[in-house]
Amino acid sequence: GENVEQHPSTLSVQEGDSAVIKCTYSDSASNYFPWYKQELGKRPQLIIDIRSNVGEKKDQRIAVTLNKTAKHFSLHITETQPEDSAVYFCAASNAGNMLTFGGGTRLMVKP
Amino acid sequence: EAQVTQNPRYLITVTGKKLTVTCSQNMNHEYMSWYRQDPGLGLRQIYYSMNVEVTDKGDVPEGYKVSRKEKRNFPLILESPSPNQTSLYFCASSTRDRGAYEQYFGPGTRLTVT
Repeated sequence: GENVEQHPSTLSVQEGDSAVIKCTYSDSASNYFPWYKQELGKRPQLIIDIRSNVGEKKDQRIAVTLNKTAKHFSLHITETQPEDSAVYFCAASNAGNMLTFGGGTRLMVKP
Repeated sequence: EAQVTQNPRYLITVTGKKLTVTCSQNMNHEYMSWYRQDPGLGLRQIYYSMNVEVTDKGDVPEGYKVSRKEKRNFPLILESPSPNQTSLYFCASSTRDRGAYEQYFGPGTRLTVT
């Protein structure tokens, strides 16, 4: 089955700096790569996703990049704010039925 | 209001005592799924259902059962809970054409098995 690895497990940045979280996946058939944000005590919420026919996608301060050859994808957050502090999960899906998550990254944005 | 609900939100039980965690959605979604969340392991899929009477195993189905008799409900059953099933459980749903894509998650159920 699919295996998704996520790095780093914790990330601390100064407010206004950029943050980058990286994920690798094992199944070359995977074609959908979402990112979820989970605030403390809350449910995961989809913040952005990318399909395999696209190399990059942007939504305001958030961007995702995908390298299918290397089987890795990344989340980029620019101009970080304290409200960006949360746990972020990457995931991969190859058939639309199952979703395999990475282990999560705890992002801390210091004011 | 469109939502996924779970009950109970918190549960402490003892080894071997059967329990059911309910999940209900009011968005007429065909796809529903259960995950467990453990520190450092992310979310792992337990079971999923593409539609009524259609269920399939995820990555960690051992020790769990599900049923999908109605479109809106997808209960998770632990016939004989064990301490290693202590975890935070999330139910999620999506439309059929989205499947595992763009899932809406419930608020979570924190289960402790002693």
